Amino acid sequence: GENVEQHPSTLSVQEGDSAVIKCTYSDSASNYFPWYKQELGKRPQLIIDIRSNVGEKKDQRIAVTLNKTAKHFSLHITETQPEDSAVYFCAAKDYSGAGSYQLTFGKGTKLSVIP
Amino acid sequence: SAVISQKPSRDICQRGTSLTIQCQVDSQVTMMFWYRQQPGQSLTLIATANQGSEATYESGFVIDKFPISRPNLTFSTLTVSNMSPEDSSIYLCSVADFYEQYFGPGTRLTVT
Repeated sequence: GENVEQHPSTLSVQEGDSAVIKCTYSDSASNYFPWYKQELGKRPQLIIDIRSNVGEKKDQRIAVTLNKTAKHFSLHITETQPEDSAVYFCAAKDYSGAGSYQLTFGKGTKLSVIP
Repeated sequence: SAVISQKPSRDICQRGTSLTIQCQVDSQVTMMFWYRQQPGQSLTLIATANQGSEATYESGFVIDKFPISRPNLTFSTLTVSNMSPEDSSIYLCSVADFYEQYFGPGTRLTVT
């Protein structure tokens, strides 16, 4: 089955700096890679995703890049703000019809943005 | 995205008892899942709730302990049976149509 590794487990940045979280996956059949943000006591929220036919996707201050050859994808947050502080989870899924349609999650990265 | 609600939002239960968690979605969805999240941990899939048939359980989870129902495309229940303190966790319903997957607010369960 799929295995997703996520690094780092914790990340502290100064407000205004950039943050990068990296994930690797094992199953080359995975073709959908979402990122979730979970604030304390809240549900995970889908913030951005990327499909295997795209190398990069941006949405305002956040971007995700995908390298299918190396089987890794990354989340980039620019101009970080205190409200970006949360736990971020990456995930991978095979949506080709041959897979189980299940998301496999990384272990999470706790991002702290220091004012 | 679909609006997902769960009941109850939290509960404190005694060991040996059972609790049924309800998940309601405001629109029909193809897939529904149940996850467990221990404090400070990632999300662990318990099972996929299949409409009109038995749920598909992940390794380490069994139907006798976590019976699941899904009578239609907008509703599912998860029962945590014969509870022990190790079952204390947050239980989340999740739904997906095509690619995107969304989560309910969760049920915080404490077993004493």
